[in-house]
Amino acid sequence: GENVEQHPSTLSVQEGDSAVIKCTYSDSASNYFPWYKQELGKRPQLIIDIRSNVGEKKDQRIAVTLNKTAKHFSLHITETQPEDSAVYFCAASRGMDSSYKLIFGSGTRLLVRP
Amino acid sequence: SQTIHQWPATLVQPVGSPLSLECTVEGTSNPNLYWYRQAAGRGLQLLFYSVGIGQISSEVPQNLSASRPQDRQFILSSKKLLLSDSGFYLCAGLHRAGNTIYFGEGSWLTVV
Repeated sequence: GENVEQHPSTLSVQEGDSAVIKCTYSDSASNYFPWYKQELGKRPQLIIDIRSNVGEKKDQRIAVTLNKTAKHFSLHITETQPEDSAVYFCAASRGMDSSYKLIFGSGTRLLVRP
Repeated sequence: SQTIHQWPATLVQPVGSPLSLECTVEGTSNPNLYWYRQAAGRGLQLLFYSVGIGQISSEVPQNLSASRPQDRQFILSSKKLLLSDSGFYLCAGLHRAGNTIYFGEGSWLTVV
């Protein structure tokens, strides 16, 4: 089955700097890669996603890149703000068939220092 | 839009007691439904998923079971809880239009 690895486990940056979180996946058939943000004690919330037919997607200060050949994808947050502090999870899945499952990475705890 | 409700929000249960967490979905029909568990400070582990009434797939062997008695209802159960069952349990549903999973509010379980 799919296995998703995520690095780093913790990341501390100064406000205004950029943050990058990287993930690798094992199933070459995976074609959907979302990113979730989880604040303390709350449910994960989808912040951005990318599908295998594109290499990059941006939404204001966040962007995701995908390298299908290398089977890795990354989350980029620019001009970080204290409210970006949270745990971020990457995930991977394939298709929309009846066995659709979203497999998550282990998470990255991002701390943005004021 | 699809909304996922789960309850109770928090519970404290003694070791050996039973468990029942309930999840319901609004705004969609025939959704795929999932139960995830998150131990304190850890990642999201997929426990069960269901593609329809009475259809349950288990991802990991464990002390828990799941049932789907109705299209929009998904239940997580245990006959006898273990200390290791403590964690944050999240019900999730597949938003087919966007191919995206959305989570319920979560249930905090502490086994003492």
